[in-house]
Amino acid sequence: QKEVEQNSGPLSVPEGAIASLNCTYSDRGSQSFFWYRQYSGKSPELIMFIYSNGDKEDGRFTAQLNKASQYVSLLIRDSQPSDSATYLCAVKARFGAGNMLTFGGGTRLMVKP
Amino acid sequence: NAGVMQNPRHLVRRRGQEARLRCSPVKGHSHVYWYRQLPEEGLKFMVYLQKENIIDESGMPKERFSAEFPKEGPSILRIQQVVRGDSAAYFCASSPPGASEYNEQFFGPGTRLTVL
Repeated sequence: QKEVEQNSGPLSVPEGAIASLNCTYSDRGSQSFFWYRQYSGKSPELIMFIYSNGDKEDGRFTAQLNKASQYVSLLIRDSQPSDSATYLCAVKARFGAGNMLTFGGGTRLMVKP
Repeated sequence: NAGVMQNPRHLVRRRGQEARLRCSPVKGHSHVYWYRQLPEEGLKFMVYLQKENIIDESGMPKERFSAEFPKEGPSILRIQQVVRGDSAAYFCASSPPGASEYNEQFFGPGTRLTVL
């Protein structure tokens, strides 16, 4: 079982729609969760992070965390063609177990005009 | 207000040569991480360093790879006797000191290594 799993996609949504990206993780003790966006040939860019159960909103982005279900998601409202990229879910281990991020394989999002 | 800097951005080596990749973290950041992204694969952790210390190298291949973060100067990832399978994008990330559990990591532009 992979530690962090994402549907590879591509996820195709029309411009203006809500894109929903999902991620599950295996380590129940994980504490911190991060969403990165990576354009082709570029480096990962941090979009959001979340630590507590529930929703966290930042502009058009909403991160949702459910630790009981070991599930984290990213919603992108009013999707734009410029949002087309690969979205990486990353999980940081429980405190004291290391500082590294464990990444999912990424979900490729395509927003069609 | 520079972010993480990496050089070179592109590096071509022949099999058997050495590759040296450099990373300067965000000013004030004392934690440096190296990740590797193989073609069509996800990012994989390699090593975590603080100044003059390797904290976690559990993701580093046992042979040919080494990393350092000296008191002065950039962090260096060194690959000896490169093979074609080392061709990948190598990303450096940094985070500030303090409560490590919640610190975000900011990525540099990466070094794309091609082994001929």
